[in-house]
Amino acid sequence: EVQLLDSGGGLVQPGGSLRLSCAASGFTFSNHAMNWVRQAPGRGLEWVSAIGGSGATTYYIDSVKGRFTISRDNSKNTLYLQMNSLRADDTAVYYCATSYSISYVFDIWGQGTMVTVSS
Amino acid sequence: DIHLTQSPSFLSASVGDRVTITCRASQGISDYLAWYQQKPGKAPKVLIFDASTLQSGVPSRFSGSGSGTEFTLTIRSLQPEDFATYYCQQVNSYPRTFGQGTKVEIK
Repeated sequence: EVQLLDSGGGLVQPGGSLRLSCAASGFTFSNHAMNWVRQAPGRGLEWVSAIGGSGATTYYIDSVKGRFTISRDNSKNTLYLQMNSLRADDTAVYYCATSYSISYVFDIWGQGTMVTVSS
Repeated sequence: DIHLTQSPSFLSASVGDRVTITCRASQGISDYLAWYQQKPGKAPKVLIFDASTLQSGVPSRFSGSGSGTEFTLTIRSLQPEDFATYYCQQVNSYPRTFGQGTKVEIK
């Protein structure tokens, strides 16, 4: 079964750091670009970052550039999001997502992991 | 960045109604548009891609149309399980922006 499992969320103080993980199974991980999408409480979806299959290419939304780093370990079938200098407006459920069978479109999603930035 | 504007943001409808949601892009995106359905506490699920292609397993009462800057999602006969929030997303360029969402509630 094709599956993504998000983890690593939690409560962190403003200015703190957190690393999210997304474990993939059921498909050839290195063949697929991966994404992080977040959703603040009661709000809409916001694409955050993407990484190509080899890890050589990355993209970020402006509001996280310089603070978040996306990476992947294809030997472990795992995607990461290192989040530094966290702010209250980073509070959200973070989902990993990929385009498994449809080019560019997110047809496989993780279950989400909650990140709360608060003192 | 490409901005997507959905309308309406909220709609109240009855079972059996025909529902149309519009998504307008700030610049042309050809047919690089997808529609997602999200239910509370769940990850989104793709319904339509390439503006008008129905994802496998999605009921045929859902349809999409449009190209360039204006797109629509139509639900032909609303069913109880269709009450949810719907998002459009452009996959033409980065950042991969979403519309603000349309919440479909029971009248």
